[in-house]
Amino acid sequence: AQSVTQLGSHVSVSEGALVLLRCNYSSSVPPYLFWYVQYPNQGLQLLLKYTTGATLVKGINGFEAEFKKSETSFHLTKPSAHMSDAAEYFCAVSVRGSSASKIIFGSGTRLSIRP
Amino acid sequence: DGGITQSPKYLFRKEGQNVTLSCEQNLNHDAMYWYRQDPGQGLRLIYYSQIVNDFQKGDIAEGYSVSREKKESFPLTVTSAQKNPTAFYLCASSITRGPLNTEAFFGQGTRLTVV
Repeated sequence: AQSVTQLGSHVSVSEGALVLLRCNYSSSVPPYLFWYVQYPNQGLQLLLKYTTGATLVKGINGFEAEFKKSETSFHLTKPSAHMSDAAEYFCAVSVRGSSASKIIFGSGTRLSIRP
Repeated sequence: DGGITQSPKYLFRKEGQNVTLSCEQNLNHDAMYWYRQDPGQGLRLIYYSQIVNDFQKGDIAEGYSVSREKKESFPLTVTSAQKNPTAFYLCASSITRGPLNTEAFFGQGTRLTVV
């Protein structure tokens, strides 16, 4: 079955430190991969995506992620955390369902930034 | 402005009542989705639809129903059979590129509370 696993429900880093949020997927064929950010009581905003081509993708707000097929991973990174990065982050995959494509999400990682 | 509109933003329902959440998009997207969000559980897929008059059950379809009579609209009914309907509901849409759907665009959500 297709699935998405995010390691760590809560990550805390100091302002200016490296941000690393982990995502692993399970799929028999390479999926499309996404990272989203959610602020309280709002919908989700796309940070970046991988469909085909270059495996290192850059997104908004200084975030980037690398698709590693051999590790079935798509970890999100940012070199230097900012207070405004505090939010919930979701990894997602687009895969084939029984008769249509669907997008499934991981359980999310809450990112806190320490002053 | 193109986007996805969910209404209402807040909804209160008495136990035993059915209630319908509205979702409209003017992005000309083929695919639409409904997700339920509970604290610590990420987004769980309720139903998804690739084309008009066709939809598939997601992981937690029991107690919910949908229709897709128009490309722009994908309303979700929470029935009295749903045992724990209090949650944040998110509607999304996406386009199809190749074999899979690309990133989902989200509405602002409807918070349903059973009183």
